[in-house]
Amino acid sequence: DVKVTQSSRYLVKRTGEKVFLECVQDMDHENMFWYRQDPGLGLRLIYFSYDVKMKEKGDIPEGYSVSREKKERFSLILESASTNQTSMYLCASSFFGAVNTEAFFGQGTRLTVV
Amino acid sequence: QQQVKQSPQSLIVQKGGISIINCAYENTAFDYFPWYQQFPGKGPALLIAIRPDVSEKKEGRFTISFNKSAKQFSLHIMDSQPGDSATYFCAASYQGGSEKLVFGKGTKLTVNP
Repeated sequence: DVKVTQSSRYLVKRTGEKVFLECVQDMDHENMFWYRQDPGLGLRLIYFSYDVKMKEKGDIPEGYSVSREKKERFSLILESASTNQTSMYLCASSFFGAVNTEAFFGQGTRLTVV
Repeated sequence: QQQVKQSPQSLIVQKGGISIINCAYENTAFDYFPWYQQFPGKGPALLIAIRPDVSEKKEGRFTISFNKSAKQFSLHIMDSQPGDSATYFCAASYQGGSEKLVFGKGTKLTVNP
């Protein structure tokens, strides 16, 4: 059974803290993604990575950075958390370049910044 | 710029009815159009997908209709069931894969018993 695992389901952090969200996949996927989900705004891409140490900005990268040191692990970093980063964060993975490939999502991390 | 526009934002249907969710896209380079289903507390999961070389794809009670000239595609759920209550996202991408999937804003479907 394929799996994308996010390290936390719920997180509460204080404004200004550095926050790490971790994601691990066990499907040997090249692509990994971080999305942010907000009511009425759908899923918005923050960053994606198609290989180890490779990354590309998505639509809303401001205030975020990412790290991919190993193929199976993709971390999202909030350098200095702010209240407007309170949201649901979803990690996903997929094969690179495959036709009709499917993106597999984790269960999400609900982050609250107070 | 919203590349994939989805409507309606919410939808309520009675059990046994037909649920229809519509999406429109702008980028003619898109060549892969999946629909994802998300239940509360879960991540989205692929439901059904279509490529622009066909006008319709059916899997059980779920059908995608695709109109390339109008740049529109829709999801039809026949004989809707309470278990279909979820949020549905249309999406689009190019290069034939899920690189940079662009999602619609989602439709919350409620199927009443």
